[in-house]
Amino acid sequence: GQQLNQSPQSMFIQEGEDVSMNCTSSSIFNTWLWYKQDPGEGPVLLIALYKAGELTSNGRLTAQFGITRKDSFLNISASIPSDVGIYFCAGYNNNDMRFGAGTRLTVKP
Amino acid sequence: NAGVTQTPKFQVLKTGQSMTLQCAQDMNHEYMSWYRQDPGMGLRLIHYSVGAGITDQGEVPNGYNVSRSTTEDFPLRLLSAAPSQTSVYFCASSYSIARVKFFGPGTRLTVL
Repeated sequence: GQQLNQSPQSMFIQEGEDVSMNCTSSSIFNTWLWYKQDPGEGPVLLIALYKAGELTSNGRLTAQFGITRKDSFLNISASIPSDVGIYFCAGYNNNDMRFGAGTRLTVKP
Repeated sequence: NAGVTQTPKFQVLKTGQSMTLQCAQDMNHEYMSWYRQDPGMGLRLIHYSVGAGITDQGEVPNGYNVSRSTTEDFPLRLLSAAPSQTSVYFCASSYSIARVKFFGPGTRLTVL
């Protein structure tokens, strides 16, 4: 089956720093999505990408759909304490949705 | 709108017991899906539905049944619970199958 490799597994950063994380796959996806999950809650959709090469922003978050359609990147600029959480990438293709294992972000004030 | 609601929030079962996890949405979404989340892993798709009367299997369907008799409800049934089904279960709904937007708060299930 299609597997998503998400990295890094965890990040410890200082408030104000920029953050980058990525997701790669051996298979092509038609849609890439990024979610954030807080403890004890369901994931919240941050950004959805639909075309290879697409670059989309949502406030301080920017995500890109890789040209090969096998990867995606998420950047968070000027991190703040409420950015703490687990960030998941997800890829969709042919009625199948696959998720990465997540990047756990810790922001130190 | 209540969004996506799930009941119960917590459940403990013994091996072999059966139960139904409830999921309801009030946004008139056609697409609903069930996921399980295990420690250190991403969500895995169990079953999904693209409308009332239509269901299909996801990545990990074994041991689970679903039905979709109305647009609003999409229950997940465990016929004979096993310890391997200990997990957190999330229900989701959306307008588009390719853009899953609304997740419920989750049901934490433990099978002893």
